[in-house]
Amino acid sequence: EPEVTQTPSHQVTQMGQEVILRCVPISNHLYFYWYRQILGQKVEFLVSFYNNEISEKSEIFDDQFSVERPDGSNFTLKIRSTKLEDSAMYFCASSPGLGTNEKLFFGSGTQLSVL
Amino acid sequence: QQQVKQSPQSLIVQKGGISIINCAYENTAFDYFPWYQQFPGKGPALLIAIRPDVSEKKEGRFTISFNKSAKQFSLHIMDSQPGDSATYFCAASSGGYQKVTFGTGTKLQVIP
Repeated sequence: EPEVTQTPSHQVTQMGQEVILRCVPISNHLYFYWYRQILGQKVEFLVSFYNNEISEKSEIFDDQFSVERPDGSNFTLKIRSTKLEDSAMYFCASSPGLGTNEKLFFGSGTQLSVL
Repeated sequence: QQQVKQSPQSLIVQKGGISIINCAYENTAFDYFPWYQQFPGKGPALLIAIRPDVSEKKEGRFTISFNKSAKQFSLHIMDSQPGDSATYFCAASSGGYQKVTFGTGTKLQVIP
């Protein structure tokens, strides 16, 4: 089965530094997402992206966050100035379309640790 | 109102037994209720999903029961196996996959 690929699997950064998390969605998918999971807590929606623009974002996704699809295959999440509370597992996801018949595929995640 | 409440937080079941995980929601706009299975070091994977126009959906050993009037739904895993040991998340969304709201997760351990 096709997979969503995320790199790196672990990222350690100093507070205040910029970090970019990378994802390669499944090739024929049109909708892309970032979710995060703080250790031991639920998975939380951050942002959805379609047709090269953000289609929806949560209150977590503030001005410190941005997303980009720099080319035809990659989808990135940038955190401009990391905070301790940004430490979490970040999951990229993609779906072929929009609607309840469309399955959402998650990557294995990037564990971000902010020191 | 966007919350999905899930219980129990953890569950230990004997091999061959039935695992039951319960969820409740408030937002009546939710129209899609998936369950995700997550193994350590992996992302959530869709297990089974239901829409509110049916009261039950079964796929193999996994069954979702849905009570629209009570705004509750549950996952039943029949003949639980050690390979089912994982964290299970209920979830809900409306209008497609734009924003999936997850429950807090249930860590299931199936012991031989």
